[in-house]
Amino acid sequence: EIVLTQSPGTLSLSPGERATLSCRASQSVSSSYLAWYQQKPGQAPRLLIYGASSRATGIPDRFSGSGSGTDFTLTISRLEPEDFAVYYCQQYGSSPPAPFTFGPGTKVDIK
Amino acid sequence: EVQLVQSGAEVKKPGESLKISCKGSGYSFTSYWIGWVRQMPGKGLEWMGIIYPGDSDTRYSPSFQGQVTISADKSISTAYLQWSSLKASDTAMYYCARQYSSGWYVYNPFSYWGQGTLVTVSS
Repeated sequence: EIVLTQSPGTLSLSPGERATLSCRASQSVSSSYLAWYQQKPGQAPRLLIYGASSRATGIPDRFSGSGSGTDFTLTISRLEPEDFAVYYCQQYGSSPPAPFTFGPGTKVDIK
Repeated sequence: EVQLVQSGAEVKKPGESLKISCKGSGYSFTSYWIGWVRQMPGKGLEWMGIIYPGDSDTRYSPSFQGQVTISADKSISTAYLQWSSLKASDTAMYYCARQYSSGWYVYNPFSYWGQGTLVTVSS
């Protein structure tokens, strides 16, 4: 099973600043099958990025993903007030029995 | 419009059984895998299992194998998650989620999510 580690656990930033979130896998993620989700309190997660760098439908271009192999990054170029949330990475390409695993999350809160 | 609508919150006692549902609409229900994800209070997301309603092919996370049963009734476009004997540690929010791409290929992210079903197990 691929284990995902996210850092930092919490990121305290101000609106307008740049956020850089890291996701590291315990082994190489097949075909860059790495996604990022945003979750706000009381809401279901929302898909932001898939395939490591492709934005999902309707996601603003201030969100970008990069990386391959075991190291991946989600960048929010300029934080908007609605971006303060928890972000999870997910790999979806490992062999059975556990083709999907989530990272523990990074909370982006207002400084 | 794609929608996944989950059944309402449940309060149960330890040892009781439970089946929660997730009804899909706005797309071909039989053509997309639907997964279930647990979120315990204040914690992160855990993948539980996934089903392809077209042929009921089901895969489970090793952590949840034998603990829950996932099923689907394609005649009413509904997926289910059930427990035969609940424990207090099953208290959590449970989400269903549809995969991004259609077809039998299971390696896809989850692009549409239900609103969640809160399950509380307490004596």
